[in-house]
Amino acid sequence: KAGVTQTPRYLIKTRGQQVTLSCSPISGHRSVSWYQQTPGQGLQFLFEYFSETQRNKGNFPGRFSGRQFSNSRSEMNVSTLELGDSALYLCASRSGSSTDTQYFGPGTRLTVL
Amino acid sequence: DQQVKQNSPSLSVQEGRISILNCDYTNSMFDYFLWYKKYPAEGPTFLISISSIKDKNEDGRFTVFLNKSAKHLSLHIVPSQPGDSAVYFCAASGRSGNTGKLIFGQGTTLQVKP
Repeated sequence: KAGVTQTPRYLIKTRGQQVTLSCSPISGHRSVSWYQQTPGQGLQFLFEYFSETQRNKGNFPGRFSGRQFSNSRSEMNVSTLELGDSALYLCASRSGSSTDTQYFGPGTRLTVL
Repeated sequence: DQQVKQNSPSLSVQEGRISILNCDYTNSMFDYFLWYKKYPAEGPTFLISISSIKDKNEDGRFTVFLNKSAKHLSLHIVPSQPGDSAVYFCAASGRSGNTGKLIFGQGTTLQVKP
């Protein structure tokens, strides 16, 4: 099975712009979670989508949003970018049952100038 | 509020010896714990997990121990190999709610010297 894929791998934006990141989960997985990794805050949960519905949300401002499509692919959007949004954005997928494991993609490195 | 803590930022061990990585948690609602290994510029790779109904889980060179009363878990790697050098994260979730939300520790950088 192919793993979790994320596009693009690297992105450079300027303050005030918006960005959309994409994640394709492992085939058959219905749950997609997003995380932000920064040197200061570590790995922090953004949100989880399951069957096109947001099921969990972390403590991030409303500028961070996401969605999931019927094929389980997910996108996250960050509007009005700030310098502090520079981070590695990771997507993880799991089948959705109660005892399964999350598998991570390689991440998208976002740099905000 | 750091609900999952890895108090040792780094650990250095000799090849062939045991590596012990520690993790503490504060939320008694956590009932599922995982360890991930991460190389720079890559996503975390799943290593091993344990449910709160167990106190030990073993997979090859990796063993995770859970002490619920102390809210402490540890990952043992025996024998350690140079390829094990990476950042190790422990993570926790309240799976009884079937949540995809993982709370991560800050990570421990393991260096295995040849």
